[in-house]
Amino acid sequence: QTVVTQEPSLTVSPGGTVTLTCASSTGAVTYGSYPNWLQQRPGQPPRTLIYSTTNKHSWTPARFSGSLLGGKAALTLSGVQPEDEADYYCLLYSGGAHVFGGGTKLTVL
Amino acid sequence: DVQLVQSGAEVRKPGDSLKISCQGSGYKFTTYWIAWVRQMPGKGLEWVAMIYAGDSETRVSPSYQGQVTLSVDTSISTATLQWISLKASDSGMYYCVRLFGGKELDLWGQGTLVTVSS
Repeated sequence: QTVVTQEPSLTVSPGGTVTLTCASSTGAVTYGSYPNWLQQRPGQPPRTLIYSTTNKHSWTPARFSGSLLGGKAALTLSGVQPEDEADYYCLLYSGGAHVFGGGTKLTVL
Repeated sequence: DVQLVQSGAEVRKPGDSLKISCQGSGYKFTTYWIAWVRQMPGKGLEWVAMIYAGDSETRVSPSYQGQVTLSVDTSISTATLQWISLKASDSGMYYCVRLFGGKELDLWGQGTLVTVSS
């Protein structure tokens, strides 16, 4: 079973830029892994921000972007806002299965 | 509005059976997959299983094989996750989520809290 690894926690200042990454135990993350990025604020259901590596939904703020970076999937937040403080999860498709990463707790301080 | 609405919180005893549901509205239900995701309190997300509403093709995560059953009723645009005999370890928040193409997530339900306790 694939293991998907994310940074457990990151801290960023308001207005700053931060990149979260998502690695696969089976090797490089590719477009064929169909990375999805989700945001979950406390007490709320998850919300999908990015699908298929780079694609945004209509509700995704422009400051969020997805990419592949050094063999990993990446989520970059540019011009971080206080309301971006949340847990972020990646989801990869690997070996015919969907696997979540453990999540990154993003603190805006 | 396009949305997924889940059934309410449930409290059951070990050994009980249970069905929870996820009703889609505002879109063509049969052209999307619905997946179920579990979250234990204070923990991360776990992929449980998914079902294609068009033909009921089902894919269950190995960790949940034999533990859960998925179904859809297209007449009421509803997907269901079912347990025959609950265990305390089945407790958690269960979310349904819509997928297009089988790999791309968009819309989430509000979640159903399942508590299994003697």
